[in-house]
Amino acid sequence: DAGITQSPRHKVTETGTPVTLRCHQTENHRYMYWYRQDPGHGLRLIHYSYGVKDTDKGEVSDGYSVSRSKTEDFLLTLESATSSQTSVYFCATSPGLAGASEQFFGPGTRLTVL
Amino acid sequence: GENVEQHPSTLSVQEGDSAVIKCTYSDSASNYFPWYKQELGKRPQLIIDIRSNVGEKKDQRIAVTLNKTAKHFSLHITETQPEDSAVYFCAAGTGNQFYFGTGTSLTVIP
Repeated sequence: DAGITQSPRHKVTETGTPVTLRCHQTENHRYMYWYRQDPGHGLRLIHYSYGVKDTDKGEVSDGYSVSRSKTEDFLLTLESATSSQTSVYFCATSPGLAGASEQFFGPGTRLTVL
Repeated sequence: GENVEQHPSTLSVQEGDSAVIKCTYSDSASNYFPWYKQELGKRPQLIIDIRSNVGEKKDQRIAVTLNKTAKHFSLHITETQPEDSAVYFCAAGTGNQFYFGTGTSLTVIP
């Protein structure tokens, strides 16, 4: 595994509360990604980062924000959690663009919004 | 954006038989096509990838074929073993435009 950790690994929260998930990497990869995984939908990109303080939206970005203040950390925030955001969230990193190089995934965070 | 379709969604094979998973994509600009394997409760991991300038790539029991004209690519696993049981995801894209298929749950029956 490419030295990618996620915290927390499991979280249960209530509708309307803010939630922040953290991804930490030790590989010095430039690119970092947040995906959500739901049955029947595979992996869908939420946001990605192409450098410190450089981020962009993915396919399913509504209700999520991200920040990257240093190379090794990428934070995903659910501004006001909803039940539809119950999912497994994976962070990934890559040395090059997603469309050109292997992505390395973290262990995932299982989030339940009640 | 890109639309990646993957079939079948579930696949059961006898140990020793071959398994084939197929994906189609819509954007002719896509030029990178990886396959990821995800075991139950684990993270996805790359098992093989292919680029648009190559038609076929093999790695031991695993092979991937690409038909750019028809916009489809396939994963072939020969001599399947119980440890091949997992969910397999195809993906397609270029640059920062990158999309996954919905996954195929493969079960290898001993």
